[in-house]
Amino acid sequence: DVKVTQSSRYLVKRTGEKVFLECVQDMDHENMFWYRQDPGLGLRLIYFSYDVKMKEKGDIPEGYSVSREKKERFSLILESASTNQTSMYLCASSPVGLALAKNIQYFGAGTRLSVL
Amino acid sequence: DAKTTQPTSMDCAEGRAANLPCNHSTISGNEYVYWYRQIHSQGPQYIIHGLKNNETNEMASLIITEDRKSSTLILPHATLRDTAVYYCIVRVANSGYALNFGKGTSLLVTP
Repeated sequence: DVKVTQSSRYLVKRTGEKVFLECVQDMDHENMFWYRQDPGLGLRLIYFSYDVKMKEKGDIPEGYSVSREKKERFSLILESASTNQTSMYLCASSPVGLALAKNIQYFGAGTRLSVL
Repeated sequence: DAKTTQPTSMDCAEGRAANLPCNHSTISGNEYVYWYRQIHSQGPQYIIHGLKNNETNEMASLIITEDRKSSTLILPHATLRDTAVYYCIVRVANSGYALNFGKGTSLLVTP
């Protein structure tokens, strides 16, 4: 089974702090994603990466950056946390090869971040 | 992505089959139907996908009508752990990376 592991289930940070959310997958997937999920807004893509050191902005990249130094690990960084970044953050990965596999994404359990 | 319509909520008795419908009347010939679910406070989970033939895996069956304008996800013997929000997504295979889940159907499995 594919396993996508997010380092924390719950996190509480203060405004202005630099926050790191870590995600590791064990299936050698090329693609990795960071979403945030908010009530009434659904899932929104922040960033994705299709290879080591490669990244592309999603729909809402402002206030975030990412790092992918190794294939299995994709980190989301909140440069200076703000209260409007309080949310559920979800990491996902997917394989390449078959084009339709881009739509088969495997998600971690999520990190619920509260910024006070 | 083609628009999908799902009921807001459904109930199912434990042990019975749960049949979750999805209407996608504007689906085009190269769009696939994907189903995901999200159990409360967990990440979404991929269930199954299909193009035009019925599909079955260890989790569920997917029945797609001949005109492809609607589909049904079947959980053959629902358990309490199947209580979740179920999302039907219709899109072409290489349409991009962000999944748009919509509102889905909230399935409650009762004892």
